[in-house]
Amino acid sequence: AQTVTQSQPEMSVQEAETVTLSCTYDTSESDYYLFWYKQPPSRQMILVIRQEAYKQQNATENRFSVNFQKAAKSFSLKISDSQLGDAAMYFCAYRSALETGGGADGLTFGKGTHLIIQP
Amino acid sequence: EAGVAQSPRYKIIEKRQSVAFWCNPISGHATLYWYQQILGQGPKLLIQFQNNGVVDDSQLPKDRFSAERLKGVDSTLKIQPAKLEDSAVYLCASSSYRVGTEAFFGQGTRLTVV
Repeated sequence: AQTVTQSQPEMSVQEAETVTLSCTYDTSESDYYLFWYKQPPSRQMILVIRQEAYKQQNATENRFSVNFQKAAKSFSLKISDSQLGDAAMYFCAYRSALETGGGADGLTFGKGTHLIIQP
Repeated sequence: EAGVAQSPRYKIIEKRQSVAFWCNPISGHATLYWYQQILGQGPKLLIQFQNNGVVDDSQLPKDRFSAERLKGVDSTLKIQPAKLEDSAVYLCASSSYRVGTEAFFGQGTRLTVV
């Protein structure tokens, strides 16, 4: 079974600064997907960024980028130019890419990191 | 396009009572998931449907939880009887049938069992 670990329960950053959220995972699979989701107080999970394991290039989405280290099983999220609207819980998640088990591909989540933006 | 709809948003019940949650996925999405998110934790998959068939229910407490997806569209998750430890947010998500595609989430139902 896969596990996802987020070792930072809470992070705080000044507005306009850069912050990095950490995530490590454990899997025996070679092909998979990794995601960062944002969960504001409204509770709705919003996809921030995704990374395919077979791609060496790190994914970027505007101010959000990842540092994907497959050998180390590390997947950190960097948020540049932090904005007040970035304040939320951030969850790292893993999804198998194998079409085994009849297509079972539910997400495995970490415990989350609470990101606080200081004005 | 309309997102994943869930109802109710909030529910408070006494232990040993029953409760049901409803989810309407994004139109055309064949895959539907129910997750349980206990306070302070990440969501945990309870059950995955592909159309109206169950793909994965390995983490569903089948002695008290049940779920169905009639006609491969709407889904209902039921708890009977509820326990205090069932207090959580229940999230529904859907995706199109293609490995690795994005799952879209609803706003969840917050259940409090007293």
